[in-house]
This record gives sequence, structure tokens and C-alpha cells, in this order.
Amino acid sequence: RKEVEQDPGPFNVPEGATVAFNCTYSNSASQSFFWYRQDCRKEPKLLMSVYSSGNEDGRFTAQLNRASQYISLLIRDSKLSDSATYLCVVNPPASGGSYIPTFGRGTSLIVHP
Amino acid sequence: DVKVTQSSRYLVKRTGEKVFLECVQDMDHENMFWYRQDPGLGLRLIYFSYDVKMKEKGDIPEGYSVSREKKERFSLILESASTNQTSMYLCASSLLGLGGGRLLDEQYFGPGTRLTVT
Repeated sequence: RKEVEQDPGPFNVPEGATVAFNCTYSNSASQSFFWYRQDCRKEPKLLMSVYSSGNEDGRFTAQLNRASQYISLLIRDSKLSDSATYLCVVNPPASGGSYIPTFGRGTSLIVHP
Repeated sequence: DVKVTQSSRYLVKRTGEKVFLECVQDMDHENMFWYRQDPGLGLRLIYFSYDVKMKEKGDIPEGYSVSREKKERFSLILESASTNQTSMYLCASSLLGLGGGRLLDEQYFGPGTRLTVT
């Protein structure tokens, strides 16, 4: 089982829709969770950090559920410009006390007019 | 703004050549990372470094080595390039997290180097 799993999609939604992505992780000792956005042929860029208490940034809401070992990203009122691939990042512990960033394979979102 | 630069956007090399990919960051970040990204496989960590002259293997280190002689520069080396190393290579940097557990702060990525080995 891969450490971090995402539904690859694509999620094809109309403008104005609400869409949610989940990302599951296998190591319960994981720390530091993030969502990144990657546009076609560009580098990933941080979208949001994810905290246990949940956090919101405008139309975007991220949640962490440690009991079920998943993080989620909710996008409300989708815009055409939200079309991109969304990557989740989880940091499971590794030897030597460090934490190793592990990316999901990404979920593709296509917002159409 | 944090800036992470990579020496080349596109590179074409022949099988067996030694290849150097350079990455420089200008924000005094302790952590630096090398990933490769392939369709359907996502980003996979090759090597990372938490300090100068320090390196640790990621998930797929075979066929690669790294060098970090200065804090701002992290080099990826393909000792003898092979066609299965054709990929997009992404460098990233981040601040060291708090405490001995080295929790990861957000990563800043360079624009990537698309390497083709023929």
C-alpha cells in the first residue's frame, strides 16, 4: 500500500460547483500536512498547510482527520482558474528522527464554463 | 520572495554521460531536496539534505548522488545517465522545522529541469 493515496480524477466540474478531495495516509505517526497546487508544466506551489483544527483561506478549506488518517481539501464556488493538479504532502517519520516528505500522485481538477 | 533556481530548463544527454543538475536557493534555507516527477508516478524523493555536507537517501536514490558543499547549493549527479532517468527533475528548499524531530516547513520549488537521455 502506498503511503499517501489520492484519487487521480480527473474531477470535471462546472464553474461555481463545490468539490472535495481526500488524501489518505498509512503512517499514523505522520506530521506536517500540506496541499500543493501544480499547474501544467509548472512547479508545485503551496496552497495550504493543514492543521487538526482545520483551516480556511477564502474559498478553500483544509481538514485533518487523524483518527481516520486522511486530509481533505474543499473548494467552494469553483473558478476556471482553479483547474490544476492538487498534491497532498504527508511527512511520516524516518530513521534518525527526521520526517520525510511524501507526495500523493495528485488529483486533477478541470473546471469548465 | 524565496527564489529557487535550477541551472537548466531543458537538457539532452547521451546514455553513459555524467550529468550535473544544479540548484541554488537564496533564502538561507537549511533543507534542500531533489525529486523526479513522472506521469502517473507523481513526485518521488531522490535525496535530501538538512545541512551543508549532509545528505540522506530518499525513496529512489539508485543511480544518483548529491553534493552540498555550500548551504545555498545542492547538486544532483547522474554518474552514468540511462534512458530510464529521462524525467522532470525538481529541486526544493525549506526552513528547518522546530525541535529535534525536524518537522518539515513548506517547500519552495524550482522551475524544474526536463532531462532527456537518448
